[in-house]
Amino acid sequence: DAGVTQSPTHLIKTRGQQVTLRCSPKSGHDTVSWYQQALGQGPQFIFQYYEEEERQRGNFPDRFSGHQFPNYSSELNVNALWLGDSALYLCASTLNARGTGVGEQYFGPGTRLTVT
Amino acid sequence: KNEVEQSPQNLTAQEGEFITINCSYSVGISALHWLQQHPGGGIVSLFMLSSGKKKHGRLIATINIQEKHSSLHITASHPRDSAVYICAVGGGSQGNLIFGKGTKLSVKP
Repeated sequence: DAGVTQSPTHLIKTRGQQVTLRCSPKSGHDTVSWYQQALGQGPQFIFQYYEEEERQRGNFPDRFSGHQFPNYSSELNVNALWLGDSALYLCASTLNARGTGVGEQYFGPGTRLTVT
Repeated sequence: KNEVEQSPQNLTAQEGEFITINCSYSVGISALHWLQQHPGGGIVSLFMLSSGKKKHGRLIATINIQEKHSSLHITASHPRDSAVYICAVGGGSQGNLIFGKGTKLSVKP
């Protein structure tokens, strides 16, 4: 049974460009959350998707957007990249969280984004 | 003040020592998570608990809901336990987790 997978593992982009990160949840999970982890910091919540809709959102600008597909996989898009967007982007999946925060979250390996 | 505080920030131990990492939080929660992150980034969930105590191998996690405090203990520590240990809380109608900054543990042989 595959766990949470993310692609790509590493990515280098130039300031002003756009990037798309991908996440496939653990089999049977229907809720996907995205987190940004800057170097030396704990992860920060970006948003959560359930039933193909954004259910909750953290304190991130509209440049950060996402999507969830019928197979529960998800994408994170970041437009007009800033240098400060350089971070590890983590995806986590949960079974039937329905926004309760109670479900155990399984994390993917992350995508390390470097903006130059 | 951060909503989730961990202590210590850094911890160095000798192989075999008993280790305790503490987590205090200021928000109402429905569950607390202990996570392990190795260099390179991947996060592994160690425990999710909402009351009492859980044990898995050499790892023990406890939580006191009234005091809003949790501890992660590692018995007979080993160099392979070296990692960053992160406390995260999730609560009420919130689907997101709020993370502490992590405790960097280094176990020397």
